[in-house]
Amino acid sequence: AQSVTQLGSHVSVSEGALVLLRCNYSSSVPPYLFWYVQYPNQGLQLLLKYTTGATLVKGINGFEAEFKKSETSFHLTKPSAHMSDAAEYFCAVSDQTGANNLFFGTGTRLTVIP
Amino acid sequence: GAVVSQHPSRVICKSGTSVKIECRSLDFQATTMFWYRQFPKQSLMLMATSNEGSKATYEQGVEKDKFLINHASLTLSTLTVTSAHPEDSSFYICSARDNRASAGELFFGEGSRLTVL
Repeated sequence: AQSVTQLGSHVSVSEGALVLLRCNYSSSVPPYLFWYVQYPNQGLQLLLKYTTGATLVKGINGFEAEFKKSETSFHLTKPSAHMSDAAEYFCAVSDQTGANNLFFGTGTRLTVIP
Repeated sequence: GAVVSQHPSRVICKSGTSVKIECRSLDFQATTMFWYRQFPKQSLMLMATSNEGSKATYEQGVEKDKFLINHASLTLSTLTVTSAHPEDSSFYICSARDNRASAGELFFGEGSRLTVL
């Protein structure tokens, strides 16, 4: 069984400040991990994903995430927040068969303060 | 990248009518598609897994007769909300897995906002 926990349903940062969105997962098998972003009234867009190999993954829009197996975490970071980063962010996990659905966290709403 | 298109993006209907939402993979084939429902300020709730050429697999608590899913081709899945009621008003999102991909990534449609009056 797999699940994802996102700590903090709402995060506010100042423009230019560090963004840190937390994600912890539970999986009985080696996981694939994803971060998606959702803008109002839109579907989900993939930011980045971890499958195998390098544990630090770089994605679009300057975001990156690090897979830490010992901590069962996959936190999303960005060095400097931009106003356009304001959105809902979802962490998701799947197993490595590639056949199953993604299990989503409850989401974190990021607000960027000018 | 792979593109999934949903139509319509917004629909308003009267109580008791049926509404069909389409989910198309535009540049890839998808044996498997997923339908989700999203309530305001909440995460995605998986409703069903749509499999091309076979019956959909519904999640517990989702009424099969109310939410009809048809996956007639490798590029199209449809969700029909039958006899819609105001409580069915929601944001419905589909996703599809590229048959060629092995890394589990899903591609999402833009979502369809249903309002039942």
